[in-house]
Formats: sequence, structure tokens, C-alpha cells
Amino acid sequence: ELKVEQNPLFLSMQEGKNYTIYCNYSTTSDRLYWYRQDPGKSLESLFVLLSNGAVKQEGRLMASLDTKARLSTLHITAAVHDLSATYFCAVDLRVGGSNYKLTFGKGTLLTVNP
Amino acid sequence: DTEVTQTPKHLVMGMTNKKSLKCEQHMGHRAMYWYKQKAKKPPELMFVYSYEKLSINESVPSRFSPECPNSSLLNLHLHALQPEDSALYLCASSQGSTGAYEQYFGPGTRLTVT
Repeated sequence: ELKVEQNPLFLSMQEGKNYTIYCNYSTTSDRLYWYRQDPGKSLESLFVLLSNGAVKQEGRLMASLDTKARLSTLHITAAVHDLSATYFCAVDLRVGGSNYKLTFGKGTLLTVNP
Repeated sequence: DTEVTQTPKHLVMGMTNKKSLKCEQHMGHRAMYWYKQKAKKPPELMFVYSYEKLSINESVPSRFSPECPNSSLLNLHLHALQPEDSALYLCASSQGSTGAYEQYFGPGTRLTVT
């Protein structure tokens, strides 16, 4: 069974600081996604990582994927309050036949303080 | 149009009621999903439809009954629910269900069972 572990689960940081969220998974996969969720809202897709070494950047967020280490990182640069949200990584895994299933990490609740 | 719509936004129902959740997409996607999300938890997959056929049922109790009338519509029929079924129900769609396809999530239906 695929396990997806995120850490930290809670992150409180000051504006202007940098930090990294880690996502480890237990089974070989080369498909990993990062989502953002604001309180009471739905999931917003941030990054789609589909190969080893993939790196994508959008604004103050940068995501990378190392399939050999089964590790993805979400790096936050010079945090601002608007980045406060819960961030989920999700791994896509074949579950039989041609079916794939997304398994989510527990999420990282990020709070950016002035 | 990259939007998945869900109705209603909020639903309160008694344990003896029958109600339905509706999801619609017009992106030409051939895979549609139902997820359940409890507060402060990640989404949990319930059902996957691929080309209008049920391809994954994550051992969901029969009081939840999915239906895919056509490629754009996905319903979730609810009957005799329990208070612990109260949650945010998210619909998603993707081009296919065979992996490497980004899932687009709808805004969700917040369900309260009394």
C-alpha cells in the first residue's frame, strides 16, 4: 500500500523567510502533484511533476521531484501572508488494469505571519 | 473552460432523507471522481468513472450510490446517511484515468447529516 508522508504538518513562518515542505512516498511513481487548499475551499492545482528531476516554479513557489529518492519538495521563497493555506502533495499510482489512483499526504498547514 | 461545477454548495439532510449531489464539467474529460474530505484531513477517493463506467469503488458503503448519466455529468445519490458522513464532498475530472492526467476539482458540497 502506498504511503505518502508530508512534513512538517504545521509550519508557522515569518514573511520574507524561506522554507521547504517535504513529501516522501513509499512506492515507485513518477507522477506527483501539489495542491493548495484555502479554508473551506476546494483544491487548487499548483504543480504537476511527471518525471525524475522535474522542477517547476510559479511565483514564490518551486516544486521538484526525485523519483529515485521518492521525494518531492515544495520550496517557499520570501513568504508572504497570501501563501497561508494547506498544501497537499499527491502521488499517482497504478492500482490495477489501466486504473490510477491519487493518494494524498496529510497536508501541511502553512501560516505566514507579518 | 477549466471549470468543474457542483451543486448544491451546502446540504443539510436527516438520516432518513434521500438527496443527490451533482457535478458537471464541459472540458471533454473522460474521467470523473468523487472524493470525501473530513475537516483537517486529506481528500479520500470514493469512486472513479472512466468513459462513463465505474472503474474504482473504494469499498464505499451502499448508502452512497454514484451515477454517470453522460460524459459531462456525475451524480452521487445519498440515502440513509449517518452523522459521520458529514464532510466536504469533492468532484474532480481529468482527461483520462490512466495516470499522468491532472485532476481538476470542483468547489465541493458541504454536507451535514443531522
